[in-house]
Amino acid sequence: SYELTQPLSVSVALGQTARITCGGNNIGSKNVHWYQQKPGQAPVLVIYRDSNRPSGIPERFSGSNSGNTATLTISRAQAGDEADYYCQVWDSSTGVVFGGGTKLTVL
Amino acid sequence: QITLKESGPTLVKPTQTLTLTCTFSGFSLSTSGVGVGWIRQPPGKALEWLALIYWNDDKRYSPSLKSRLTITKDTSKNQVVLTMTNMDPVDTATYYCAHGQQLVPFFDYWGQGTLVTVSS
Repeated sequence: SYELTQPLSVSVALGQTARITCGGNNIGSKNVHWYQQKPGQAPVLVIYRDSNRPSGIPERFSGSNSGNTATLTISRAQAGDEADYYCQVWDSSTGVVFGGGTKLTVL
Repeated sequence: QITLKESGPTLVKPTQTLTLTCTFSGFSLSTSGVGVGWIRQPPGKALEWLALIYWNDDKRYSPSLKSRLTITKDTSKNQVVLTMTNMDPVDTATYYCAHGQQLVPFFDYWGQGTLVTVSS
């Protein structure tokens, strides 16, 4: 089965750039999607198909995907960006696969 | 606008069957390329995908749970139903339904989720 690996936690200073990685075998050949989940709330799609932002998502959120790693980048991090972030792909054998999630802390 | 809402029991006993209903608005499950999925999240843990059903009645299941899951749709009622058999305390989780895409599956609209506790 296909697996996605994320760091448990990432910290970033207020106003700086946070990068959250998502590792998977040849993930660059797949479409990667990212979700933000704040405590007690449902997930929100922040990036789809590697680098596309849904309407209403700030330009500070961007994504890239190559080789064995996809990356969610959050520029000019704000206190309101503190949340859990999940990557997700579709695998033909496994179906929908979510990463284990990364807790982002803004210092 | 697209909205989804999950409904069902908040407490089930071990070995019982769980039936959850997702009632949605703002889209039709008879529209090409549209799907509805179920995802769950145990307290303090990660998201776990369960099942997907598409406009053409194509159904996909998590391989690890496939034997216990059934997903169906009622297009006229704008509802998707998920049943999970032989419930166990480890199945305690918040269960979400979400609007999805068929060609490149991802979930762009989510319900608020419903917490299901499995306990005797």
